[in-house]
Amino acid sequence: DIVMTQTPLSLSVTPGQPASISCKSSQSLLHSDGKTYLYWYLQKPGQSPQLLIYEVSSRFSGVPDRFSGSGSGTDFTLKISRVEAEDVGVYYCMQGIHLPPAYTFGQGTKLEIK
Amino acid sequence: QLQLQESGPGLVKPSETLSLTCTVSGGSISSSSYYWGWIRQPPGKGLEWIGSIYYSGSTYYNPSLKSRVTISVDTSKNQFSLKLSSVTAADTAVYYCARLVVIGSSYAFDIWGQGTMVTVSS
Repeated sequence: DIVMTQTPLSLSVTPGQPASISCKSSQSLLHSDGKTYLYWYLQKPGQSPQLLIYEVSSRFSGVPDRFSGSGSGTDFTLKISRVEAEDVGVYYCMQGIHLPPAYTFGQGTKLEIK
Repeated sequence: QLQLQESGPGLVKPSETLSLTCTVSGGSISSSSYYWGWIRQPPGKGLEWIGSIYYSGSTYYNPSLKSRVTISVDTSKNQFSLKLSSVTAADTAVYYCARLVVIGSSYAFDIWGQGTMVTVSS
């Protein structure tokens, strides 16, 4: 089984400052088709998770460009260029292999505003 | 606008079977473009994929739960369901249903229900 490990587990950021979250997988997420199926979700307080980033670095529809994803193989990073108050919540990385389906989430990183 | 809504008992006794239903509105569960899934979140903890189903009935389960999980679909009611047997306190969680759709080159969860809390206790 693939294990996803996020660091840090929590961070406190001043509005306007950058934030970075790391996600490491226990094995390479590079698929035989050449794609890497690593996703980032944000769960705002009291809400269901929402998709931010798909396939490592592509922003989902409506996601502000202050969010960016990068990485390859087993090491991935989510960056927020300038944190805003609405960015608070828990961020999860997820690996997703569809055939056969197997989805594994990281433990989550809680972002709060200073 | 497609919406998902979980429903079912909020309290289940240990050793019994947890049963939840997800009702899809604003779209058809029978679309060949989607899979449907269940994810859970224990209090204060992270997310765990439970399993997924296609409208044809093909199912895929998390290996760690496979022996206790059954997911089924009822296209006539636009619903899919989760059954988890022999529950213990460790199964206490918020249970989400979600849609899987191709985003980029593969499937990802894009629309989630609001979640329903299930507590396992006598």
